[in-house]
Amino acid sequence: DGGITQSPKYLFRKEGQNVTLSCEQNLNHDAMYWYRQDPGQGLRLIYYSQIVNDFQKGDIAEGYSVSREKKESFPLTVTSAQKNPTAFYLCASSPRTGGLREQFFGPGTRLTVL
Amino acid sequence: GEDVEQSLFLSVREGDSSVINCTYTDSSSTYLYWYKQEPGAGLQLLTYIFSNMDMKQDQRLTVLLNKKDKHLSLRIADTQTGDSAIYFCAEGGATNKLIFGTGTLLAVQP
Repeated sequence: DGGITQSPKYLFRKEGQNVTLSCEQNLNHDAMYWYRQDPGQGLRLIYYSQIVNDFQKGDIAEGYSVSREKKESFPLTVTSAQKNPTAFYLCASSPRTGGLREQFFGPGTRLTVL
Repeated sequence: GEDVEQSLFLSVREGDSSVINCTYTDSSSTYLYWYKQEPGAGLQLLTYIFSNMDMKQDQRLTVLLNKKDKHLSLRIADTQTGDSAIYFCAEGGATNKLIFGTGTLLAVQP
């Protein structure tokens, strides 16, 4: 089945540790996105990539890093520089061209810093 | 800058109609979207409307767009307990980025 997978579903991290969240898609989409969701704040864009080997900062990129070495994969690293990393993280993908650029979402990863 | 606003909470009784409202600021938006998020899950696209349309109906869902006032609404007819979720509106324009609203929590009382 075509879709987006994120792993793990739940992740626990100690303060001061970096952690990488996985996002894989088999929809043949060029564009991929990472969002952070906090209660009552909706979705905030962290990073996005419109093509392999290229990515741009979103609204809240500080303390995060990404890579886009393959079309199918867009991992997000939450570094120790991120001051408040506990949140629900959502990955999405979409076509890069065309009129309706619907974003398809993965099931999310809930990160908790202990 | 671009901004999308929604009310935070709506409570309805099962069988009633629900109307979720959204206002946006970017007049160049091409498509406007409604997404649904169930607890602990990702977002799924419910419906969308092209900016040159006034209304779109899809089974129990009706989307109304007032482009002059930059107002979008989602009406759910015969609301069921399974409709309880967070609903997000989003606007998309020339770039691939979508601007999401804060989400409206719909609570359906049996």
